[in-house]
Formats: sequence, structure tokens, C-alpha cells
Amino acid sequence: QVQLKESGPGLVQASETLSLTCTVSGFSLISYYVSWVRQPPGKGLEWMGRIRSGGSTDYNSALKSRLSISRDTSKSQVLLKMNSLQTEDTAIYYCTRDTMGIFDYWGQGVMVTVSS
Amino acid sequence: DVQMTQSLSYLAASPGESVSISCKASKSISNYLAWYQQKPGEAYNLLIYSGSTLQSGTPSRFSGSGSGTDFTLTIRSLEPEDFGLYYCQQYYEKPLTFGSGTKLEIK
Repeated sequence: QVQLKESGPGLVQASETLSLTCTVSGFSLISYYVSWVRQPPGKGLEWMGRIRSGGSTDYNSALKSRLSISRDTSKSQVLLKMNSLQTEDTAIYYCTRDTMGIFDYWGQGVMVTVSS
Repeated sequence: DVQMTQSLSYLAASPGESVSISCKASKSISNYLAWYQQKPGEAYNLLIYSGSTLQSGTPSRFSGSGSGTDFTLTIRSLEPEDFGLYYCQQYYEKPLTFGSGTKLEIK
């Protein structure tokens, strides 16, 4: 069955770079998009960006200057890197299977705290 | 960016009742609208897409309606497992955006 699982450090220092991995199973990264979505504590959901099945990327303009999404198809992994972290980046980070903008499967999420 | 507004942040209802959750887009998004449910400790679950199409596995007591700027998620005859958070999301244009959520609680 389709599964996505996020992994990465739970605590990152301000001004440093966040690296998260989404490991997928049950589908191929060359057939589906994968998006990253985040949710600060007590707040709403923010779409961050995605990597398309062909390998191209789309980013939320609010994050574009700090964000990079890539993949390793041999490992079925999608990688998120975001630099210059601030405390406002504290959030649960989710990876999702993205079918033309519809998020039909989600990971459980990983909580990332940015410490000042 | 398309702003999605869920005017009701909280809704209390009893099992067996019917409820409707509204979602309004800041511009016309045709029917490029999805609804998600989140329950504590569980992954987000896609309920409805294209405004009214039930995702496989979504119970038939759920229905979606609307197009353009105004959308509604209706749950008939609430079951105990229906309580949780509900979000709408537009995928008409990037950036993809979500409503702020409606928490459905047991009265």
C-alpha cells in the first residue's frame, strides 16, 4: 500500500539548514509528484513546494529563496532542504503524494523545532 | 495567492445529526477544491476532490458541493469517528492553499 514517512532532526538551531527525507513505498516517484506541507503549532497548513514526476520543481514563492526539493529515485526518497531557519519555521513537516494538486496520501509528519 | 476562508473554526454536534462546513475562495477556483480530515494521531485523510467527488473509501454520508468561490462539506448522520479537524484546499493555481480548518467536536 502507499506509504510516506518523514525523517529528520527534531531540533535545529536558528540560521542553520533543515534537511528532511521522505521515504515512499507503494508508488514510484517517476509516476507521481510529492509535495511538502507544513503546519506550525496551532496554525494552518502551508504548501511549501513539490517535485514533479519528471523531476522539475515548484515552490511557494514565500519560501523559494530558502527551499530546495530533490529526489533519489533509486532510494524512493524525496529530500527537502531549507536554509536560514528562524523560530517561525517551527512546525510539523509533512510529505504527501500529490496527484495534480490533490494530496491523496500523507505521511504522519515530523515535528521540527527551531531553537534560538 | 488564493485565500481560502473557513468561517467556522469550531462546530459542536451530536452523533446522528447532520452538519455543514463552508469554505470560500477569494477568487473563482472552478471545482478545484479538496476536503481533508485530520484526527489526533492519524495522518491527514483525503475525503473529497473536484468539489464533490468522493475519494475511494470515503463513506457515503460525506458529500461536497459548490463551485466557483463557495463550497460546502456536508456530513449526514454523524458517526463518532467523524469528529476531528476538516480543511479545504484549492488546487486551481499555485501556491496551493488551505483553509484555516474547522474543528468538529462532540456536543
